Amino acid sequence: AQSVTQLDSHVSVSEGTPVLLRCNYSSSYSPSLFWYVQHPNKGLQLLLKYTSAATLVKGINGFEAEFKKSETSFHLTKPSAHMSDAAEYFCVVSGVPNSGYALNFGKGTSLLVTP
Amino acid sequence: NAGVTQTPKFQVLKTGQSMTLQCAQDMNHNSMYWYRQDPGMGLRLIYYSASEGTTDKGEVPNGYNVSRLNKREFSLRLESAAPSQTSVYFCASSAETEANYGYTFGSGTRLTVV
Repeated sequence: AQSVTQLDSHVSVSEGTPVLLRCNYSSSYSPSLFWYVQHPNKGLQLLLKYTSAATLVKGINGFEAEFKKSETSFHLTKPSAHMSDAAEYFCVVSGVPNSGYALNFGKGTSLLVTP
Repeated sequence: NAGVTQTPKFQVLKTGQSMTLQCAQDMNHNSMYWYRQDPGMGLRLIYYSASEGTTDKGEVPNGYNVSRLNKREFSLRLESAAPSQTSVYFCASSAETEANYGYTFGSGTRLTVV
């Protein structure tokens, strides 16, 4: 079965400091992994995705994530937080053929950025 | 604009009422999905349709029915709404290829059942 665990439900950082949002995955296949962001009362926006190419994936707005198979992790990082980064972040793993490749979402990490 | 269109955006129902959430995509995607989002739970799969004419249950199908009307449209029906179905509902579609998973989400329907 495909699943992800987001290790922190809430993360608080100061503006200008690094961001680290942690995600571990479980997969019986070679997974595709994603990070989505959702700003308050908004829809979902794709930040980045890993699909078995380079293990370090760069996304939008300065975010990046590194796929580590040995640790089954896909942590999201950003060198310097901005106030506009405050949002809910979801780590997501791809599904399997007999589920129509439906995405499996983590429970989310709420990022708070303080001045 | 290409994408996934959901209607309505907001809805308030009384317990026991029925309604259908509509979803349409214009990207010629084979697969379509319905998710619900609840605080602290992420998005959970209700039903999916891997191709026109097929539908299957996801993680939380109880209380819902779906119809894949054609390749473009995938509707979600609540026959007798309950307060536990208060949630934000997202429809999505995907190109469903091994090499490149391209998923597109609608903007969501915020449903309140009183």
